[in-house]
Amino acid sequence: QKEVEQDPGPLSVPEGAIVSLNCTYSNSAFQYFMWYRQYSRKGPELLMYTYSSGNKEDGRFTAQVDKSSKYISLFIRDSQPSDSATYLCAMGGSQGNLIFGKGTKLSVKP
Amino acid sequence: DTAVSQTPKYLVTQMGNDKSIKCEQNLGHDTMYWYKQDSKKFLKIMFSYNNKELIINETVPNRFSPKSPDKAHLNLHINSLELGDSAVYFCASSQGQQGIQLFFGSGTQLSVL
Repeated sequence: QKEVEQDPGPLSVPEGAIVSLNCTYSNSAFQYFMWYRQYSRKGPELLMYTYSSGNKEDGRFTAQVDKSSKYISLFIRDSQPSDSATYLCAMGGSQGNLIFGKGTKLSVKP
Repeated sequence: DTAVSQTPKYLVTQMGNDKSIKCEQNLGHDTMYWYKQDSKKFLKIMFSYNNKELIINETVPNRFSPKSPDKAHLNLHINSLELGDSAVYFCASSQGQQGIQLFFGSGTQLSVL
């Protein structure tokens, strides 16, 4: 079983839709969880990070972590064409060795 | 002003050659990284340096040698390039070794012919 599993998509939604992106993981030693967004031919940029189970909201984005189920989610409300990108989950412990998911490619159609 | 800059952006070379990629960050971070993203977009850490000291050295062929002359710079030298080395290489930096908030450069697309 891979440490981090993420459905690569692609995922195509109409503008204004709610998007749900998910990752599962197997290593219970992971302490913090992140979502990165990567536009084509660019480096990943950090969207959100959290240490604990529960929800964290930032504008149209909500990150959710369920440590008991080893499951994390990113919700995007009122999705925009500018949200079209690849979304990578990442998680790590104290050693600085982040493990990334393979990324989900999202396309938001006008 | 670019936070993490790496050069060159594109690198096309023949098998067997030696090449280098340079990275500089102006964020004042103490930790820098090299990541490799393969054709399937899988992003994997190669090395990390904290204050010029090697911290993480994943299972990478010893043809890859990172060098950190100071904490703002981390270069990657690759000897005897192979076809399988073709990928996008990203430099990143963070404050602290946990690597929580990584700032990535825009990547170097390496193509080995």
